[in-house]
Amino acid sequence: DAKTTQPTSMDCAEGRAANLPCNHSTISGNEYVYWYRQIHSQGPQYIIHGLKNNETNEMASLIITEDRKSSTLILPHATLRDTAVYYCIVRVVGGSEKLVFGKGMKLTVNP
Amino acid sequence: DAGVTQSPTHLIKTRGQQVTLRCSPKSGHDTVSWYQQALGQGPQFIFQYYEEEERQRGNFPDRFSGHQFPNYSSELNVNALLLGDSALYLCASSLSNTGELFFGEGSRLTVL
Repeated sequence: DAKTTQPTSMDCAEGRAANLPCNHSTISGNEYVYWYRQIHSQGPQYIIHGLKNNETNEMASLIITEDRKSSTLILPHATLRDTAVYYCIVRVVGGSEKLVFGKGMKLTVNP
Repeated sequence: DAGVTQSPTHLIKTRGQQVTLRCSPKSGHDTVSWYQQALGQGPQFIFQYYEEEERQRGNFPDRFSGHQFPNYSSELNVNALLLGDSALYLCASSLSNTGELFFGEGSRLTVL
């Protein structure tokens, strides 16, 4: 079973920031938080990952709470092409640990 | 630099038949994982190959088998197909001991 919980869906206006929440209250000390997204009929795409510090790359920012029990993925200026299913996953890095996907959260960016 | 490539993109089989799906990993990657994604669900882990050996396996029956070749490419074989095997089959590659998995576009299998 997935170790994360996400809302089923969320809407966002184009050009606004999209804040996607994720709860992972049972996360272990050696587990990272990963975010992937899947645009319709395509393979999942890696977005970002982090352990305990906030992370930023060209796609998004990841904010992890101090107790690491939840996190927020931020798309600073959402576009229509960001409409996708977003998956929040916890995973150990450095081993053969598989990705355990839940159902994810459908983000719809509206014009 | 080519990413993960999968073939075929679409195929139709009938119950009881066998199917082979193929995957070429991203250049420089040595680990290949296979996932099954039913409609409306998240991908489910089938198995992972590293150094031509199955390293980890998910909760799938023995009808699902795989292989990794010396050039790191991989095949997924499914025998005695059932209607419930209809799904998008995703291949993901990574460099062992790093976290980022790169996925292909998938092979959509329809079993009639």
